Formats: sequence, C-alpha cells, structure tokens
Amino acid sequence: GAVVSQHPSRVICKSGTSVKIECRSLDFQATTMFWYRQFPKKSLMLMATSNEGSKATYEQGVEKDKFLINHASLTLSTLTVTSAHPEDSSFYICSARAASGSYEQYFGPGTRLTVT
Amino acid sequence: RKEVEQDPGPFNVPEGATVAFNCTYSNSASQSFFWYRQDCRKEPKLLMSVYSSGNEDGRFTAQLNRASQYISLLIRDSKLSDSATYLCVVNGRTNAGKSTFGDGTTLTVKP
Repeated sequence: GAVVSQHPSRVICKSGTSVKIECRSLDFQATTMFWYRQFPKKSLMLMATSNEGSKATYEQGVEKDKFLINHASLTLSTLTVTSAHPEDSSFYICSARAASGSYEQYFGPGTRLTVT
Repeated sequence: RKEVEQDPGPFNVPEGATVAFNCTYSNSASQSFFWYRQDCRKEPKLLMSVYSSGNEDGRFTAQLNRASQYISLLIRDSKLSDSATYLCVVNGRTNAGKSTFGDGTTLTVKP
C-alpha cells in the first residue's frame, strides 16, 4: 500500500520557537495533502488542505500565519508551527491523497509536539 | 448537529462476539465513505471503503444506506486484536473533496 512518512515523530521545544514537520509520500505522487491535529481521545481536526504548487486552504479558526504550510512538490508538504506555545502541544498528522483521483487518504505516523 | 456522528461507545465485547457500529452523515451530496481504524497513539489506517452494494473483507462487512444517510460496520468473530477506535469518514464533492471524520467508536475485545 501507499506509504506516507512524517518527520520528526516526536519533538519537544521551548515556547516561542518554531517547529517544522515534514510529510512525504514515498511511493506515490500526492496532489493533495491534509494536515490534522488530534487531542487525546478526540477525533482528527482538519487544519488545512494543501495542493501542490498553490496556497493551502485553511479551516475556519486555524491561523495561517501561525501554521505555515508549503507543498513544494508532489511528494512533500511541510507544516511549520511558528512561535509555538504550550497550547500548540498536540499530535499532528498529515495525510496524502494520490493523484489518481481516489478519495482514499494515507496517513503519516504523526508527530507528537510538546511545547514547554 | 455534527456532519458525521458515531456512537462513541465504548463497546466491550468478548472474543468471538459480533459487533456492529453505525455512523450517520448529514450531507446528502457526500460521495464516498470509508472506515478507518486507529490504535492508541497511532495514525488512522484505512480498513475498508464502503459501497452502496455493500462490501465484505473477511470478518468485516460494511454497508451504505444512502436513503437514510448512514453507514455501518459489522465485525464477526471478534479478536483481541480488533480492539481499537473505528473512525467513520465521509467525503463530499461539494466541499472540495475534504474528508469529514466522525469522533470514532471505541471497541475493546476481552478474552
């Protein structure tokens, strides 16, 4: 099956610093990638939809200047949490949708961010 | 009302039991439907797609009822390894192909 990687898997940073998370589709081209965050015992909350070569579409309530998304190629999207604060601590998961037009999403393993 | 609603459970069943989960969705224009499985502190993994004609994969059967706007997942002969959270996912062409996730139903299979 399709494989999506995320890096790093875990990061601890100090308040005020920025953190970049990478999402890569390893064996397929992804025209669309999604970024989610998930709080404990809650479902995934879509943050933004990222299409290769264009600006990301953010969900209501998600600050685009806070969560910078770059989808530079068909296999790579990055999420940068700028000036992180403790309330940004969460599990961030990306997913990729293949260019074939299927609606199936393949998820990365997630990045656990802890801001101290 | 949430776009996708699931009974959160938890469902606690003995090994070998048959268990069914339901999921309702509000957008009648929804195009495709999936069940994902998520283990604790892991990413969701696609379990199966859901079609109007129904589909079966081993012990798992998924059904879609467009008229009533619900989908179901039936697990037969439950195994301990089936313990997980099951997420109902709905995609709609009218919302740029975004996926809407239910909050999940937690299943615990006990020996």
